[in-house]
Amino acid sequence: KQEVTQIPAALSVPEGENLVLNCSFTDSAIYNLQWFRQDPGKGLTSLLLIQSSQREQTSGRLNASLDKSSGRSTLYIAASQPGDSATYLCAVRSETSYDKVIFGPGTSLSVIP
Amino acid sequence: GAGVSQSPSNKVTEKGKDVELRCDPISGHTALYWYRQRLGQGLEFLIYFQGNSAPDKSGLPSDRFSAERTGGSVSTLTIQRTQQEDSAVYLCASSLGQGRLSTDTQYFGPGTRLTVL
Repeated sequence: KQEVTQIPAALSVPEGENLVLNCSFTDSAIYNLQWFRQDPGKGLTSLLLIQSSQREQTSGRLNASLDKSSGRSTLYIAASQPGDSATYLCAVRSETSYDKVIFGPGTSLSVIP
Repeated sequence: GAGVSQSPSNKVTEKGKDVELRCDPISGHTALYWYRQRLGQGLEFLIYFQGNSAPDKSGLPSDRFSAERTGGSVSTLTIQRTQQEDSAVYLCASSLGQGRLSTDTQYFGPGTRLTVL
């Protein structure tokens, strides 16, 4: 059974800092891993999707890496801004249960001006 | 529309009443997902549709919960005899779902906030 964890649960950084969010999964047989952002009271916004054959994906100040064999992904945010404050979730689509995307509990990020 | 839409955005109901939540996926998306998010918690998978079929109903928390999808488009999630523990945000997502693709990206709606008094 796939389980997804994220650390830290919460993070507070001053504006301008670079930061790393971590996601771990127990079953390395995955199709893809997706990072989402959730603002309070809102739905989820897709940030990056990494296919199982890929090592990383980049979009603007965001870079996501994937190490399938160790069951880990990181989301790197460069030069953080107050607008980056949100909850970040990773989600894994497994080969054994393709239809059931499993989400981590999220990391709540606060970027202080 | 361009994105996934859900209605109503907010629903307050009394314990014991039935509620119906609606999801309109992105046009052309064959896969549709329902999730529940309780306050301060992560997303809990409820059910998945491929077309009008739901091959996996294991996530539905009880027999008070049911879902259907018609015409491969709109889906409704029905909760009968609501209980206070049903209070949560119910999120819907859709994806292309054209076979088992590693590029299949989920797009989420804004959710329906359900409060059971």
